[in-house]
Formats: sequence, structure tokens, C-alpha cells
Amino acid sequence: DGGITQSPKYLFRKEGQNVTLSCEQNLNHDAMYWYRQDPGQGLRLIYYSQIVNDFQKGDIAEGYSVSREKKESFPLTVTSAQKNPTAFYLCASSIAWDYNTGELFFGEGSRLTVL
Amino acid sequence: AQSVAQPEDQVNVAEGNPLTVKCTYSVSGNPYLFWYVQYPNRGLQFLLKYITGDNLVKGSYGFEAEFNKSQTSFHLKKPSALVSDSALYFCAVRELRDDKIIFGKGTRLHILP
Repeated sequence: DGGITQSPKYLFRKEGQNVTLSCEQNLNHDAMYWYRQDPGQGLRLIYYSQIVNDFQKGDIAEGYSVSREKKESFPLTVTSAQKNPTAFYLCASSIAWDYNTGELFFGEGSRLTVL
Repeated sequence: AQSVAQPEDQVNVAEGNPLTVKCTYSVSGNPYLFWYVQYPNRGLQFLLKYITGDNLVKGSYGFEAEFNKSQTSFHLKKPSALVSDSALYFCAVRELRDDKIIFGKGTRLHILP
């Protein structure tokens, strides 16, 4: 089945460690996104990528890094510079801008807890 | 920069009654508007979208939304609520010819049996 796979589903990290969250899609979508979800704050955009080897910062990119070496993959690294990394992270993809579509397809999320 | 506001953190509705979840937006050009639903510890699921044309948009699970350009609103509605509609609902906006998508803070919908 086509879809978006995020891994791991749950992750625990000690302070000062970098962690990488995986996001893979087999929908042949051009655009991919990372959002962070915190209670009462909704979804906030971290990074997005419209094409391979290119990406843009979202509203809360500080302390995060991404790469887009392949169309189907968009990993997110949460670095030790991120002050409050405990959150639920959501990856999404969409067909690159098209008049008739534009909705996002989401993965099931990764819950990161910093101990 | 575009933005989305969902003024209600929570909405309580009795089963069988009509429901409305409110959303207002701000964009510099023509908006593309979306509603998504999220169940606990899951990703978001697409419900419906407004691109152009008829201001009343119909979507999944009997939901519909009304686009009002003068009030910059895109409220989600359903004529008769079900207990299974209880979830977290997000409104989102995307500007024409831009891949950046911004979400509201979400509204928790409780349908009371």
C-alpha cells in the first residue's frame, strides 16, 4: 500500500544527544514536510522540501536539520541545540503545487521524549 | 505571511445535533483551505478542501465547510453529530502557488451521547 512511514514511533533521548527521525514515502510525491505538535499549540512547521536537494525553513527551524537526497526520504535531525525537543513529530507529503490537489498525507508520527 | 485562527479550544455538542467548528484565516492572495481530523496518537487525516468555485464544500464522513471570503472564514459543519466524530480538528491554509501550509491550533470536538 502507498503511504508515509515514520520511524521510530517512540524515541527516548538523553539531553545533549542528537537524534534522527525517519520519514519515507512511496506516493511519488514531490513535496515533504515536518511538523511539530505540542498540546495546545497545534502543528508548527519545522522544514519543508519541494524538490530533491532543496528545502526551506519553516516557522521553528532552530535546533533542527533536514536533508532531501532522495525523493522518497526526508529525515529530520533533532540536535542538542533544540531547547525543548520533547514533542510529537509529524511528517507529511503532497503532490507539488497543483491546481486540483494540494492536500497533505501524514505519517503516524514519532513521539520523542527527552529524559 | 499566512495565518489561521481557531478561536475555540473545545466544542461540546450533543449527539444528533448540528455542529460547527470555526476557522478564520489571513493570506495575501487567494487561499486554499483545508480541514483535517486527528485521532489520539495518530497522524492527521484529510477531510475536505476549498480551492475555488462553490462556497459550500462537501467532504468525508458527512462533513462540509462554508467558505466566506468577506469574513475570511472557513467553518466546518455537520448536520447531525455522531459520538465517533469526537476528535481533534485542524484548519489549514495554503497560499496559491506556494507549498507552505500553515495549521491552526486545533479544536477538540466532544460529542456527548
